[in-house]
Amino acid sequence: SQTIHQWPATLVQPVGSPLSLECTVEGTSNPNLYWYRQAAGRGLQLLFYSVGIGQISSEVPQNLSASRPQDRQFILSSKKLLLSDSGFYLCAWSVKGPSTDTQYFGPGTRLTVL
Amino acid sequence: LAKTTQPISMDSYEGQEVNITCSHNNIATNDYITWYQQFPSQGPRFIIQGYKTKVTNEVASLFIPADRKSSTLSLPRVSLSDTAVYYCLVGDMLERSAGGTSYGKLTFGQGTILTVHP
Repeated sequence: SQTIHQWPATLVQPVGSPLSLECTVEGTSNPNLYWYRQAAGRGLQLLFYSVGIGQISSEVPQNLSASRPQDRQFILSSKKLLLSDSGFYLCAWSVKGPSTDTQYFGPGTRLTVL
Repeated sequence: LAKTTQPISMDSYEGQEVNITCSHNNIATNDYITWYQQFPSQGPRFIIQGYKTKVTNEVASLFIPADRKSSTLSLPRVSLSDTAVYYCLVGDMLERSAGGTSYGKLTFGQGTILTVHP
């Protein structure tokens, strides 16, 4: 069966510090991968998606970036965090093909920027 | 993606049936209706998806009228553990990248906060 991992589970970082969140998927090959952010009391906002290694598309201009160095690894980064980067970050994956609409989410990373 | 409107919050009691209605007046011909459930500090979880009429699985039922401008998620005999946020999504959710590969593009609104009381 497929599983998706994210780490760390929680993170407290000072403003201006760098960020690296990692997501890995097991049990599937060549998945679509996604990064979402959820601010407190709000819905999810799609940040990045990737259809393959090295292929990243951004949905929202910001100081975050994403990379996909391996088929089942997706990384979210920042060089300098802002207060507004605080939130709950979720990684998700989906299969390719006619039914790519069902996405499977990881456990998330709670980021607090102070 | 079609815009959706759903109640901000609902309250229920254990053992009752809960119906959450979602309005999507601008739904397109190719659009599907999908519901996700999210518990606090967890990622959303797929519940059910449908195109028209009625769909039922082991968790819920989804009722879609003929005009498809709304849909109702029905949760039978809720328990305390059903307390969560429920999201209604509408869209074919299939986009094409420059290379022709399809990917899903979900847009989550604020959802409906369902609170089940003892």
